[in-house]
Amino acid sequence: DTGVSQDPRHKITKRGQNVTFRCDPISEHNRLYWYRQTLGQGPEFLTYFQNEAQLEKSRLLSDRFSAERPKGSFSTLEIQRTEQGDSAMYLCASSLSVGSGSMETQYFGPGTRLLVL
Amino acid sequence: AQSVAQPEDQVNVAEGNPLTVKCTYSVSGNPYLFWYVQYPNRGLQFLLKYITGDNLVKGSYGFEAEFNKSQTSFHLKKPSALVSDSALYFCAVRDVIKAAGNKLTFGGGTRVLVKP
Repeated sequence: DTGVSQDPRHKITKRGQNVTFRCDPISEHNRLYWYRQTLGQGPEFLTYFQNEAQLEKSRLLSDRFSAERPKGSFSTLEIQRTEQGDSAMYLCASSLSVGSGSMETQYFGPGTRLLVL
Repeated sequence: AQSVAQPEDQVNVAEGNPLTVKCTYSVSGNPYLFWYVQYPNRGLQFLLKYITGDNLVKGSYGFEAEFNKSQTSFHLKKPSALVSDSALYFCAVRDVIKAAGNKLTFGGGTRVLVKP
């Protein structure tokens, strides 16, 4: 399968614990995005990378959240000191940009569902 | 700022009948528009997009969408719905202007239920 993969698919944690999610984009896609989706809502943008550079962050991304894409391939999203309000589906997407434009399609992974007790 | 509205939380349609899912958008510049479908406990699956050119865009699984600039709409359509089309549908927009960044802004989603 050459699609976007995410690990784990499900995570249950206790309030105050740290969690880390991984995303492997489609091979050679240079852009990688993280979104959060709560029940009954559309996905909301968190952050995006072009290669290893984090170029944009939403104000939804509090200082407890950090994302990395160290070698421009896979990415990790860490949430420190989790809160019950962090419970959501975390979606990763990737795209191939061949210029300065932004018309390319984002392809999504299956998501990581987080439940904070 | 960019935004998307999907005015219907749910659309019910009988199998074989036409299906329409409504979407309106707001951007500062010109829009790139996308439709995605989500099945239970799955990620979003790309259906089609409008970038420029012909206002009628054809996509996967027999879906199409019509871009209407004057009404700022991008409604998704399928001439003959299948039970397997039952899912959650999301419209998304990205503003062409560089200052808007590369993020997609999604609507709240419309649940489609196709009854046999």
